Amino acid sequence: DAGVIQSPRHEVTEMGQEVTLRCKPISGHNSLFWYRQTMMRGLELLIYFNNNVPIDDSGMPEDRFSAKMPNASFSTLKIQPSEPRDSAVYFCASSLGSGSGNQPQHFGDGTRLSIL
Amino acid sequence: SQQGEEDPQALSIQEGENATMNCSYKTSINNLQWYRQNSGRGLVHLILIRSNEREKHSGRLRVTLDTSKKSSSLLITASRAADTASYFCAVLHNNNDMRFGAGTRLTVKP
Repeated sequence: DAGVIQSPRHEVTEMGQEVTLRCKPISGHNSLFWYRQTMMRGLELLIYFNNNVPIDDSGMPEDRFSAKMPNASFSTLKIQPSEPRDSAVYFCASSLGSGSGNQPQHFGDGTRLSIL
Repeated sequence: SQQGEEDPQALSIQEGENATMNCSYKTSINNLQWYRQNSGRGLVHLILIRSNEREKHSGRLRVTLDTSKKSSSLLITASRAADTASYFCAVLHNNNDMRFGAGTRLTVKP
């Protein structure tokens, strides 16, 4: 079975540009999570969806970040405008259940984002 | 905020030795999970241990949970070079999402 698929794997762009990260969760999973990982802050939860509905976006750093899940098989994380401090590895994960932590999460291999 | 905190931050051992990593947390939990992350890859789930369990095994992995001390440990026996990775524990936060600690970086030397 295919795992969580993220694209692109790497993104390098100049500050001020719009960045869109994409995620395809595992088929049948109804919870989806976006994380950001940096050396300084570790792994931070940005937002998570259950049945395509955003449940908790308290981790989204500011209004420049937005996430959507138009259907059960696709989600995007958008940064507009991007800034150098947004440089990080962004992970998408999916799981069964309501996101209550009673199920393991399956991670994609991440998007390494560099904002120049 | 509620999240696991791993100890030590880094651990270097020889192949064949055992590796023990610890995780502490602050409030009551429903379960605790351990994950592994290889360099440049996403996290991979290893074990979930529920609050009413004290020990769980999976191959060369053994996880213990002491809810009275609010701590868990991950033991990897007979380590291999391929076990080199970062290991994270994760606990529930506000019953809605999991929070990960900073991880333990394990290096197994051949």
